[in-house]
Amino acid sequence: AQRVTQPEKLLSVFKGAPVELKCNYSYSGSPELFWYVQYSRQRLQLLLRHISRESIKGFTADLNKGETSFHLKKPFAQEEDSAMYYCALSYNQGGKLIFGQGTELSVKP
Amino acid sequence: EAGVTQFPSHSVIEKGQTVTLRCDPISGHDNLYWYRRVMGKEIKFLLHFVKESKQDESGMPNNRFLAERTGGTYSTLKVQPAELEDSGVYFCASSQEQGVDYGYTFGSGTRLTVV
Repeated sequence: AQRVTQPEKLLSVFKGAPVELKCNYSYSGSPELFWYVQYSRQRLQLLLRHISRESIKGFTADLNKGETSFHLKKPFAQEEDSAMYYCALSYNQGGKLIFGQGTELSVKP
Repeated sequence: EAGVTQFPSHSVIEKGQTVTLRCDPISGHDNLYWYRRVMGKEIKFLLHFVKESKQDESGMPNNRFLAERTGGTYSTLKVQPAELEDSGVYFCASSQEQGVDYGYTFGSGTRLTVV
């Protein structure tokens, strides 16, 4: 069955430190991977997706099919990055997403 | 344009009661999705409408949950009778085209507490 695993419930770093939020998936085919973010009192929103290979707000994520991972990285964390981050997978054209459990990122001053 | 609107934002009901959640998608979006996050667990897919038709309802947990989308506009999700384990946040999302690549906008969610 398709599954997304985010091993860290909470990740706490200091401002300016590098950050990596881990995401591993299980799916035998070619999935589409996404990172969603939910800031405090805001709705869930798309941060980035692997097919566009873009950098949003300084975040990047590379799909590693060998390790079935899609870790989210940022070289220098900012306080405004504090939020819940969800890794998600889509494996068909229906638009259904499979989410990980989420990682709460806390960036301290 | 107005975003995806959900109401109520919060609902507290007693076990055994009925609750109806509503989602108004972005105007013109044919695709509407329901998800929920139960405390401490991941966000899980419930079902997908294309206009008024149920495209995929594989995530609906049991027959206490009934989703409708009359006329292909807003959708309702009714829980009857509610159980304690139904507590969580229910999210709605909509998109114009099918598939997550085409833009998938979430509502703010309805926090349901069953006591």
